[in-house]
Formats: sequence, C-alpha cells, structure tokens
Amino acid sequence: ETGVTQTPRHLVMGMTNKKSLKCEQHLGHNAMYWYKQSAKKPLELMFVYNFKEQTENNSVPSRFSPECPNSSHLFLHLHTLQPEDSALYLCASRRGLTASGELFFGEGSRLTVL
Amino acid sequence: QQQVKQSPQSLIVQKGGISIINCAYENTAFDYFPWYQQFPGKGPALLIAIRPDVSEKKEGRFTISFNKSAKQFSLHIMDSQPGDSATYFCAASINTGTASKLTFGTGTRLQVTL
Repeated sequence: ETGVTQTPRHLVMGMTNKKSLKCEQHLGHNAMYWYKQSAKKPLELMFVYNFKEQTENNSVPSRFSPECPNSSHLFLHLHTLQPEDSALYLCASRRGLTASGELFFGEGSRLTVL
Repeated sequence: QQQVKQSPQSLIVQKGGISIINCAYENTAFDYFPWYQQFPGKGPALLIAIRPDVSEKKEGRFTISFNKSAKQFSLHIMDSQPGDSATYFCAASINTGTASKLTFGTGTRLQVTL
C-alpha cells in the first residue's frame, strides 16, 4: 500500500467512449502526476499538478483531459481514444514540485482501447 | 540531452548471483539518481537513490555505483533472490528552480532463477 489509490485497475473502451481514471493520495502531498507506461519505453510524463494547479502538460493530445479538484484527487478524462493509447496509466504524488525525493506511484490503470 | 540510457533490456541471473544494471546520461545538471523497482501489477516503488557527490551507496543487498566523470551509474544486486524478479528503472532528476523533473530509463526486466 503506497498511499496512492487508482481506480479502475482495468478498463476496456471503444474509440467513441468517454471514461475517466481516478487517483487519490492519502499522503498529504502537494504535487500529483500522470504518467503513461508502454512496453519497452521510458515512463512518459503527461501532466503535473501542484496545489491543484496544472504546471505541466507534456504535449499530450487533447483527447486526454486532466482534472485536479484538490491536492488529494486527480482525474484523467478520456474521450475518442486511439488503439495506440492502450497502456498502463500511472498516477504519482510527491511532497512538493521542487522536492527531488521519492515519487509515490499508484498501481496503475490498465487501459485497452478497441 | 534529457535521455537516460539503460541496459540490458532483460537479464536472467541464478539465485545467489550478482545482477548488474547500467545507466548512462548526458546532462551534467542531473542532481539525483533514483532506482525504482516494479513488480507485475504494481506501480514502481523507490528502491535506492544517490546524489552525484558520492560514488557509492549501499542498502542491504542493493548498491548504486556512480561514476560522475563517465556519466554512468549502475545498480548491483548481490546474492540475487527469486523475490528480486521485477522490472528495474533508473532515473535522473534535474531541478529547474520551479520543479524537479525525473527522466526514466526504459527498464530492465530481471528474472532470478532457482
């Protein structure tokens, strides 16, 4: 148990569906992150939030829409995805944006786009 | 310049042997080098980390060796155990002043056989 909980753990969706991934952290951290993990590739940073304000969008297509209503919750809204978007989506949190310390990851949401 | 190159992609080691994973970087501004361990179905978790002002850090059976002049660092797992079978990611962090950014390697899948 890392203190970062992601739901759902598995999601299958068609290209025309709209779905959302949810992340909740119980660590009192201020910074939250979305990463995409694909086989044989480095973890790709997608979005960064600090005190619920977006500080980084790593050129992510607009079919991915993040939302951070407070420092403990982070969502990733998905719509009109492509099969190449199938991957493991990881949420992470850290004490602060400038802290070079540990990133705490959730267990991920495995997304399959048909 | 932001890349971290990791090798090998996969590694099979006998129980009791030494597992060695190597990483190389170009950007001398990186100031923190963590290793993350990921078991199947789980998110990555911090294993051990080092800063560039030391050449070695040891925690139990896990040792990071750091060569600043060569811009290389490696993870050594002594007396490897089947429970060490996982994917290992090296990473490097740079502090831009407003944020600390992690760049991950592509991962090494370690299998420890009996």
